Amino acid sequence: ENVLTQSPGTLSLSPGERATLSCRANESVSSSYLAWYQQKPGQAPRLLIYGASSRATGIPDRFSGSGSGTDFTLTISRLEPEDFAVYYCQRYGSSRFTFGQGTKVEIK
Amino acid sequence: EVQLVESGGGLVKPGGSLRLSCAASGFTFSSYTMSWVRQAPGKGLEWVSSISSSSTYIHYADSVRGRFTISRDNAKNSLYLQMNSLRAGDTAVYYCARILATHLDQWGQGTLVTVSS
Repeated sequence: ENVLTQSPGTLSLSPGERATLSCRANESVSSSYLAWYQQKPGQAPRLLIYGASSRATGIPDRFSGSGSGTDFTLTISRLEPEDFAVYYCQRYGSSRFTFGQGTKVEIK
Repeated sequence: EVQLVESGGGLVKPGGSLRLSCAASGFTFSSYTMSWVRQAPGKGLEWVSSISSSSTYIHYADSVRGRFTISRDNAKNSLYLQMNSLRAGDTAVYYCARILATHLDQWGQGTLVTVSS
């Protein structure tokens, strides 16, 4: 069973600070198959990063993705007020999609 | 502009059925694999089902296999999810999403399904 574990569960930071979110897979993931989403309350998820490090259309360059194998990271270089949200990683495999449990980035 | 608009959610009793629809516009619907993803209240995202562009390939999560049926009508630019034998654990917002290779690049706003007596 494909499992993605995100950490921390909650990240308390101030605007302007750097956010580092982790996503760990229980087995190796092709970088092409790892994506990140942002979800704000009452809204649908929005694609941020695909292929582990490629930004989706319209996503600001303060968002970056990295990693390989079983360890992946989403970094927000300087938090803007609109960045406080929940972030999910997602892997694709065997024609299925698996999501991590999410990391909430909240205002400190 | 890509738009995905879900409908058909509501309150249903355990054991009941419901059919969700997703109306697509702003892109060539018949060229894309589509998916349903759900989110229980206060919980994370759970992939439910996917269907290829010509309905040749269909996949389900173990949690819904045998109870849910995904389908599409390319002439109507529409995606469907027939949900039978509904359980309390199926209570969630159901999102329609477009698949681009290995990720979900466009999402609808979702429709709420509540299973309760």
